[in-house]
Amino acid sequence: DQQVKQNSPSLSVQEGRISILNCDYTNSMFDYFLWYKKYPAEGPTFLISISSIKDKNEDGRFTVFLNKSAKHLSLHIVPSQPGDSAVYFCAASRVDNNDMRFGAGTRLTVKP
Amino acid sequence: DSGVTQTPKHLITATGQRVTLRCSPRSGDLSVYWYQQSLDQGLQFLIQYYNGEERAKGNILERFSAQQFPDLHSELNLSSLELGDSALYFCASSVWGALGETQYFGPGTRLLVL
Repeated sequence: DQQVKQNSPSLSVQEGRISILNCDYTNSMFDYFLWYKKYPAEGPTFLISISSIKDKNEDGRFTVFLNKSAKHLSLHIVPSQPGDSAVYFCAASRVDNNDMRFGAGTRLTVKP
Repeated sequence: DSGVTQTPKHLITATGQRVTLRCSPRSGDLSVYWYQQSLDQGLQFLIQYYNGEERAKGNILERFSAQQFPDLHSELNLSSLELGDSALYFCASSVWGALGETQYFGPGTRLLVL
């Protein structure tokens, strides 16, 4: 059962523009959300996270938005750079439970 | 470099065989998680160990088992291998912040079953 979904397998944007990656979840018990970035032949690396008590968290060019009523989160990258080209996974977890669930990933390509 | 190490990096074996994947967590981290990433699939949680004890179990097959040793390194044992077991296997260790847990992943072991 896929509790975390990333419905867009790929996204292509022009350098300098905004990249928006989306993620939906079904379990309302999730209270902590993360985005990971993965380059080929490497393990996923932590990018940014957000707790369910917030609706926005910003770190440099990366902003994560959480809409709890819609069970939706998004990652905004502004401005996008070619080095951002990677697969992005969203993940959801519960503070009282160690079972973190991941989406299938979205492959972002930033074109120069 | 996340500080999590995994060996071997690549593994090629035949159906029916058994392999062992090894993971060393970041210094001081007590938790180790194992994940499987198949082609076009997200990361599937397999199992978690905390300070030597099994803490949580995900979609782990009965043919697979894991353990965590006193020095906190962990091994994932895959037996009676099938073609469909070909995947990337990641381990992660974690740190807890005020609001939740962040996992740090190793580079992965790519398993190819022929």
